[in-house]
Amino acid sequence: KQEVTQIPAALSVPEGENLVLNCSFTDSAIYNLQWFRQDPGKGLTSLLLIQSSQREQTSGRLNASLDKSSGRSTLYIAASQPGDSATYLCAVRRSYIPTFGRGTSLIVHP
Amino acid sequence: DAGVIQSPRHEVTEMGQEVTLRCKPISGHDYLFWYRQTMMRGLELLIYFNNNVPIDDSGMPEDRFSAKMPNASFSTLKIQPSEPRDSAVYFCASSFSPEQGTGELFFGEGSRLTVL
Repeated sequence: KQEVTQIPAALSVPEGENLVLNCSFTDSAIYNLQWFRQDPGKGLTSLLLIQSSQREQTSGRLNASLDKSSGRSTLYIAASQPGDSATYLCAVRRSYIPTFGRGTSLIVHP
Repeated sequence: DAGVIQSPRHEVTEMGQEVTLRCKPISGHDYLFWYRQTMMRGLELLIYFNNNVPIDDSGMPEDRFSAKMPNASFSTLKIQPSEPRDSAVYFCASSFSPEQGTGELFFGEGSRLTVL
């Protein structure tokens, strides 16, 4: 059974810092890995999707990498802003089923 | 496309009542997932469908929960009778098959259920 772990569970940083959020998974036979953002009381918004054949994806200040052999992905957020405050979740898709981590709750204070 | 559409957004009911949550997936998507999110347990997969057929319902908590997908554009999750411990946010998500496309998962805004 796929298990997904996200570290740290919570993070509070001053504005402007570069951040790294971690996601690890136990079974490397995956189709893809997807990073989401969830604001309080809202649904999950897709940020980046990495296919199993890819090593990284970039969107604006976000960069996600994937190392299947070690079962790890990182989400890098450059020059963090208060608007980045949210919960970030990763989902690993294996055998058609997406499995989610518990998320990293991020607060960026001015 | 309007995205995944869920209704109702909020539901408050009394214990013992029947609750029906609805979902319209993105047109053309052949996978549909129902998740439940709580602070204690995070996101839990309840059931998923492929081409309108239920594939895995092992996450459904008990017989009080049932789900249907009568056609490619509509799915329901029903709880009968409801209990206070069912209070949670229920999400519907859809995607193409990861073998046929990217398999990117899209979520609805969720239905927040409170059972008194």
